[in-house]
Amino acid sequence: AQSVTQPDIHITVSEGASLELRCNYSYGATPYLFWYVQSPGQGLQLLLKYFSGDTLVQGIKGFEAEFKRSQSSFNLRKPSVHWSDAAEYFCAVAGYGNKLVFGAGTILRVKS
Amino acid sequence: DAMVIQNPRYQVTQFGKPVTLSCSQTLNHNVMYWYQQKSSQAPKLLFHYYDKDFNNEADTPDNFQSRRPNTSFCFLDIRSPGLGDAAMYLCATSRDLPEHTQYFGPGTRLTVL
Repeated sequence: AQSVTQPDIHITVSEGASLELRCNYSYGATPYLFWYVQSPGQGLQLLLKYFSGDTLVQGIKGFEAEFKRSQSSFNLRKPSVHWSDAAEYFCAVAGYGNKLVFGAGTILRVKS
Repeated sequence: DAMVIQNPRYQVTQFGKPVTLSCSQTLNHNVMYWYQQKSSQAPKLLFHYYDKDFNNEADTPDNFQSRRPNTSFCFLDIRSPGLGDAAMYLCATSRDLPEHTQYFGPGTRLTVL
């Protein structure tokens, strides 16, 4: 069965510092991978997705993610974090049928 | 802009009093989903519609029902809300496979008194 692991429940970074959020997946075939962001009291916003092709994917708000098949990873990065990036981030893999399998989420705190 | 809309954004109901949450979309997607999300947890899929074809998750309680009268609208009915049903309810849409990308609405926060 498909699964997604986000090892870090909370991460705190200073404003202006770089960010990397980790995501590992388990899936038998070529995965469809997603990163979503959720601000408090809001729905999930799609940051970026990987289906095939270039393994470095650019998304909105200055985020990027790199698909590494050998490590079963799809880590999210941002070179310089802004206070408005504080939110919860979910990694997901497309499962069977029309379903998404989510990781448990990583809460990002940004300190000034 | 094409979008997913949920109404109301906040809903307060009493224990055991039926409640209906609404979702509409202007994306013309044929798949619509309902998720339940509790605090500090990932969204949990309750069910989804593929066009008019209803697909229930095995562990979704019978207390939760859904209707999709047309492509644009989908409703979540909670027949007898319990305290444990207090949560954020998220609606999402997607095109048919192989496109897996789901687009989410802003959610409805349900409080049960």
